[in-house]
Amino acid sequence: DAGVTQSPTHLIKTRGQHVTLRCSPISGHKSVSWYQQVLGQGPQFIFQYYEKEERGRGNFPDRFSARQFPNYSSELNVNALLLGDSALYLCASSPPPGGPGELFFGEGSRLTVL
Amino acid sequence: AQSVTQLGSHVSVSEGALVLLRCNYSSSVPPYLFWYVQYPNQGLQLLLKYTSAATLVKGINGFEAEFKKSETSFHLTKPSAHMSDAAEYFCAVKNSGGSNYKLTFGKGTLLTVNP
Repeated sequence: DAGVTQSPTHLIKTRGQHVTLRCSPISGHKSVSWYQQVLGQGPQFIFQYYEKEERGRGNFPDRFSARQFPNYSSELNVNALLLGDSALYLCASSPPPGGPGELFFGEGSRLTVL
Repeated sequence: AQSVTQLGSHVSVSEGALVLLRCNYSSSVPPYLFWYVQYPNQGLQLLLKYTSAATLVKGINGFEAEFKKSETSFHLTKPSAHMSDAAEYFCAVKNSGGSNYKLTFGKGTLLTVNP
């Protein structure tokens, strides 16, 4: 079975631009989470979606938004990019509720803001 | 609020030596605990998880971790390091009840294995 897939893998933007990152979860997983990993740090929680509804949001500005589609894929959007948004953006999917809800991560989208 | 502290941002061992990566957690409710590994330019791979079933948890690639409630610790060990173990390791905590959607990660420990 395919794992979590993310696109694009790498991208370069300039300050003020907008970016859209995409994620497809593991088949059968209905929950998708987004994490930001700045170089040298652990991942930081941005959003979680389950059954197309936002279930959690981390401490990120409103420039960050996300949505989940009927097929459970997801998009992360970031507006008005800042240099500090440069990071690896990780998408993860989770099995159905009832267990510990471990996350299965994709390879990430590495965003560089110039 | 839950938090994770990983002691030592960089650990260096010789091939064949014991690997010990330290993790302490803080959680107001019984936690779920995880160790993830990240190889360069890759995402995170789950090594093992603690879900209250057993305090000694065995994972992939010969790693194991022991949950010690009295010490609020979940240290990761491997008896004999291999060159392929060189990577960054992250400990993470999640609440077992209520709004358990969020993983909180430590800052990571970079493991170097010397020949």
